Amino acid sequence: KNQVEQSPQSLIILEGKNCTLQCNYTVSPFSNLRWYKQDTGRGPVSLTIMTFSENTKSNGRYTATLDADTKQSSLHITASQLSDSASYICVVRASGGSYIPTFGRGTSLIVHP
Amino acid sequence: SQTIHQWPATLVQPVGSPLSLECTVEGTSNPNLYWYRQAAGRGLQLLFYSVGIGQISSEVPQNLSASRPQDRQFILSSKKLLLSDSGFYLCAWSIAAGPSYGYTFGSGTRLTVV
Repeated sequence: KNQVEQSPQSLIILEGKNCTLQCNYTVSPFSNLRWYKQDTGRGPVSLTIMTFSENTKSNGRYTATLDADTKQSSLHITASQLSDSASYICVVRASGGSYIPTFGRGTSLIVHP
Repeated sequence: SQTIHQWPATLVQPVGSPLSLECTVEGTSNPNLYWYRQAAGRGLQLLFYSVGIGQISSEVPQNLSASRPQDRQFILSSKKLLLSDSGFYLCAWSIAAGPSYGYTFGSGTRLTVV
């Protein structure tokens, strides 16, 4: 069964600090992995997408890594800002024609001033 | 560019009343369309998806139904709402295939059944 597990479930950090969110998956065969940011009361917005051959992708202060061998991904946020407070969702899609990716439950990040 | 519109943004409905949420996509043709529900503090639950006009797949048995009367229009409905239907509803679209396949979400509808 395809699964995506995210950790930690929630995280509180001070503004300006760095943090790393984790995503482990069992989706196979692997097609791509996306990290989404969901602000409270809004729809998720894609931050990064990574395919099998990519192991690092950056989007501003967000850097995602992928280890396809261990089936792990991380999202590193550098110099956090108050606006980074949100839920971060890891989504993995299998190859082979399935339209439906597998969603993690998300990590809730709160950045305090 | 492609855009997705979802409305209304918030809705308060009494138990037993009907529901109609609408989602439209612009700037693309023959998209895959999806309805998700997100309960407070929970992950996203897929309710319905559609790969073409009139083609609806349901992922979970429930009090809701979906229809796709036009290529870029997806409607979520209920004849009689239950308290358990409260939640945050998200519409999404995607292209059918490709390594960069992924979702673009609407802004969501907060439904409260009272």
